[in-house]
Amino acid sequence: QVQLQESGPGLVKPSETLSLTCSVSGYSISGGYYWGWIRQPPGKGLEWFGSISHRGGTYYNPSLKSRVTISIDTSKNQFSLKLTSVTAADTAVYYCARGARIATHQGDFDYWGQGTLVAVSS
Amino acid sequence: EIVLTQSPGTLSLSPGERATLSCRASQSVSSSYLAWYQQKPGQAPRLLMYGASSRPTGIPDRFSGSGSGTDFTLTISRLEPEDFAVYYCQQYGSSPLTFGPGTKVDVK
Repeated sequence: QVQLQESGPGLVKPSETLSLTCSVSGYSISGGYYWGWIRQPPGKGLEWFGSISHRGGTYYNPSLKSRVTISIDTSKNQFSLKLTSVTAADTAVYYCARGARIATHQGDFDYWGQGTLVAVSS
Repeated sequence: EIVLTQSPGTLSLSPGERATLSCRASQSVSSSYLAWYQQKPGQAPRLLMYGASSRPTGIPDRFSGSGSGTDFTLTISRLEPEDFAVYYCQQYGSSPLTFGPGTKVDVK
């Protein structure tokens, strides 16, 4: 059973960098799928940040690209998200998820972490 | 960027009734690369449908999807108590991947 678990600070100060890690169990992150980050502001809809392959190839949402970095550590079966220069508008539940289509970032998401709430506040 | 619009915003129905949810895209979604998710409060989204009309393993057959091009539909044939939730569509035919704003199905 594929399981994903987000971890990281629940509170980040404005202008600082938000850093989250997704730990994957039950499946090797080197297995050929893409791995993505999606967020959901409180009471709102879903927004895709970007996705990364096991080889480190990345695709980002252009609306966030200048602030986002997604990286992967296959030795730890983890991938990570960094979002710089955060503001209150970045307060959201952050999800990591597995892209369901082999060898392409353009896919639906079949396994999701439970999500972690990150608040941006001084 | 493909913008997805979902209607209605809220659907108030009783258990046993049929639910019809709509997702419209601002441009054609290639190869019907459209997915539907169900989200309950405090939970992550759950994949219900991919490729517009294919159900992942474990999804009950009361859920069905249809459509192509710019117009897609998710139908729940008979609502069960556990089906009251928010439903999102997502297109993955082009990048960036985008989601619709959601339709809430609540108890009438």
